[in-house]
Amino acid sequence: DAKTTQPDSMESTEGETVHLPCSHATISGNEYIYWYRQVPLQGPEYVTHGLQQNTTNSMAFLAIASDRKSSTLILPHVSLRDAAVYHCILRVASGGSNYKLTFGKGTLLTVTP
Amino acid sequence: GGIITQTPKFLIGQEGQKLTLKCQQNFNHDTMYWYRQDSGKGLRLIYYSITENDLQKGDLSEGYDASREKKSSFSLTVTSAQKNEMAVFLCASSWSQNTLYFGAGTRLSVL
Repeated sequence: DAKTTQPDSMESTEGETVHLPCSHATISGNEYIYWYRQVPLQGPEYVTHGLQQNTTNSMAFLAIASDRKSSTLILPHVSLRDAAVYHCILRVASGGSNYKLTFGKGTLLTVTP
Repeated sequence: GGIITQTPKFLIGQEGQKLTLKCQQNFNHDTMYWYRQDSGKGLRLIYYSITENDLQKGDLSEGYDASREKKSSFSLTVTSAQKNEMAVFLCASSWSQNTLYFGAGTRLSVL
């Protein structure tokens, strides 16, 4: 069973900043929050991940709630190329025994000109 | 950087046929995975392998076999294709339980 909850879809306009929410109320202390995105005819692509602190890279900013029960992927100034399905998933840190990574349906982000 | 190559990109089979999908990675990752994605749905884990010659069943292993003869390659066999079956099979690799890197997928259609 998926351990995260995301909206099925969101819409935005080019140039806007998009906030993609993810709820993970039963997250364990050793689970990282990973975000992947998937465009048609491609496999999922890594976007970012975090454990407790907010993180940022060239693709996105990940805001993690202080209780870690939710997170938000923030995409600044989206373009048409950001249109994709965004997956929020939990992964146990190395050293654990759980290699299974569960992907739900994710959030379909639509970007209009 | 590295790359994951899946072959073939498209696969059309007949009902009852045994079909083999191949995956190669040059990341030198230890762990490799096979996922199935049905239209509009999430990814379901079929098999994974944490090292050469290792095989671990995922949530959807029935009807499939897998083989990891060397570190860089991981193949998946559909033991008996089901009529009208359509799905995308995604191969991925990772260093231990770190970030997964995916291939572009093999699209299967069964007539």
